Amino acid sequence: GGIITQTPKFLIGQEGQKLTLKCQQNFNHDTMYWYRQDSGKGLRLIYYSITENDLQKGDLSEGYDASREKKSSFSLTVTSAQKNEMAVFLCASSIRSWGGAGNTLYFGAGTRLSVL
Amino acid sequence: GEQVEQLPSILRVQEGSSASINCTYENSASNYFPWYKQEPGENPKLIIDIRSNMERKQTQGLIVLLDKKAKRFSLHITDTQPGDSAMYFCAAIASSGSWQLIFGSGTQLTVMP
Repeated sequence: GGIITQTPKFLIGQEGQKLTLKCQQNFNHDTMYWYRQDSGKGLRLIYYSITENDLQKGDLSEGYDASREKKSSFSLTVTSAQKNEMAVFLCASSIRSWGGAGNTLYFGAGTRLSVL
Repeated sequence: GEQVEQLPSILRVQEGSSASINCTYENSASNYFPWYKQEPGENPKLIIDIRSNMERKQTQGLIVLLDKKAKRFSLHITDTQPGDSAMYFCAAIASSGSWQLIFGSGTQLTVMP
């Protein structure tokens, strides 16, 4: 089996700060995702990437940048942290690029963001 | 925006009883409906799914029902145990053309001893 490693586990930032979250996977999956988890709002897709150097916007991409440096890594940047923002950012990977049957998402443990 | 609506958001049941979570979706072309379970402090994991060519699927105390006409699907957990306490997310395929999953807002299930 594989594993998805997200760093850091906890991130405390200042308002207006640019913050970067990192994700590594050793499943050798082609597709990687960044989701944001807020209480009462489920999992919302920020960006996904179907191969190295590819980027696709999700519903929540505004205020974020992403970078797929290589097949195994996908980073997310909060371009300007919002005051009092609190959320969990989940990275995931899957073998294929579409959400159909057989394309299970494997999630990391998350990065918990707090903005002072 | 497009939604998958999931209810209830909070569910408390007595150990040994059953629990039901309901979801509705918008995209009539969606052909896949997974359910993910997120235990406290853990990452979400796929627990069961159903394809659009089925109306019912059962595995290990979990039953999923799909009503394509009503665009509704549901998860039923029979004989609940404390280990079933978790956040549950349903999902369907978005109609935006990306063919990505869109998740419901989650149900926090607590099984009381």
